[in-house]
Amino acid sequence: QVQLKESGPDLVQPSQTLSLTCTVSGFSLTSYGVSWVRQPPGKGLEWIAAISSGGSTYYNSVLKSRLSISRDTSKSQVFLKMNSLQTEDTAMYFCAGGSYFDYWGQGVMVTVSS
Amino acid sequence: DTVLTQSPALAVSPGERVTISCRASESVSTLMHWYQQKPGQQPKLLIYKASNLASGVPARFSGSGSGTDFTFTIDPVEADDIATYYCHQSWNSPRTFGGGTKLELK
Repeated sequence: QVQLKESGPDLVQPSQTLSLTCTVSGFSLTSYGVSWVRQPPGKGLEWIAAISSGGSTYYNSVLKSRLSISRDTSKSQVFLKMNSLQTEDTAMYFCAGGSYFDYWGQGVMVTVSS
Repeated sequence: DTVLTQSPALAVSPGERVTISCRASESVSTLMHWYQQKPGQQPKLLIYKASNLASGVPARFSGSGSGTDFTFTIDPVEADDIATYYCHQSWNSPRTFGGGTKLELK
């Protein structure tokens, strides 16, 4: 059974760095890529970053300078770091895996506020 | 980046057929996928590669298209299908999502 679970802080101060972890079970990170997708309250989905099965990384064009995605295959974990957080980064952050985002975590709600 | 344009909302009645469109600003071949999202839940894959039904998804859902124009159909609509539907392309980098189409009851 495939499961993805996001973890991280629920509150981050403006200008600080967000660190999120996606822990995967049921498939190998060397077989399928994992992406991060976010959704501000009441708004649509926004793809933000991906790491492929081969370890290549891809980033949202607008957010690219603030993002870093990495992984630890031995722990089946994918990490996202986003710096210089602002209030508009308040969102539910999902990780999604599989060739076509077949599998999704339940998400972690991150609020940026002082 | 590839912009995906969906109509924002549609009103439907149970038993009807509904079609949602997604237009891409450039070709995405057939790498268009459709997701259903209900309030408070994560998205769920329904259709992959334009027309392929994901595992366990009822045959009432279908998709078609290639290049820049895609459609997603529910026939017949059931009350449980009230949700927001998103298209997503994985042909061009970066990947992008449409703005979502919210199905509402008439």
